[in-house]
Amino acid sequence: EDQVTQSPEALRLQEGESSSLNCSYTVSGLRGLFWYRQDPGKGPEFLFTLYSAGEEKEKERLKATLTKKESFLHITAPKPEDSATYLCAVQGFLPGGGNKLTFGTGTQLKVEL
Amino acid sequence: EAGVTQFPSHSVIEKGQTVTLRCDPISGHDNLYWYRRVMGKEIKFLLHFVKESKQDESGMPNNRFLAERTGGTYSTLKVQPAELEDSGVYFCASSQELGVAETQYFGPGTRLLVL
Repeated sequence: EDQVTQSPEALRLQEGESSSLNCSYTVSGLRGLFWYRQDPGKGPEFLFTLYSAGEEKEKERLKATLTKKESFLHITAPKPEDSATYLCAVQGFLPGGGNKLTFGTGTQLKVEL
Repeated sequence: EAGVTQFPSHSVIEKGQTVTLRCDPISGHDNLYWYRRVMGKEIKFLLHFVKESKQDESGMPNNRFLAERTGGTYSTLKVQPAELEDSGVYFCASSQELGVAETQYFGPGTRLLVL
């Protein structure tokens, strides 16, 4: 069974203080690893998909990287508007197909002035 | 382009009652998913439609849950009768199959509280 563990559960940063969020996973053949952002009262908002070890993707102050066992979401010089819960999810190769996502519990990020 | 929409946004019902949740996917998306997040836990998969057919319903918790997608457009998820443990946020997502790990776009969720 696919599993995703995210750490830390919560993270408080000062504006401009860079840091990284971790996503460790086990999956029976990785089709893709996804990062989503979720604001309170809203649904997950897609950020990145990573497909293979060594891949990196960037968007504004966010950079996602992938190894065979984990993914990191690096936040450079964060701003208060980056405050949100960041979710990691994996999609594995399932017998007979199927595209379900397995999620971690998320990292709740708070960026303060 | 309109995103995934869900109705209602909130629902409060008593144990034993019936509730029906609706999801309208992004236009043209053949894949439709239902997920659920209960308090303090991760978002968990319930089922997956490809057009009007159920591709995978391995996450449905029991036979009190019935999902339909008539005509391959919108979907409904009915809980009958509702139990206390059914409380949580129900998310719908849709995607367009691209042959690799496709991006699933999520709706805002329906917050269900069973008293």
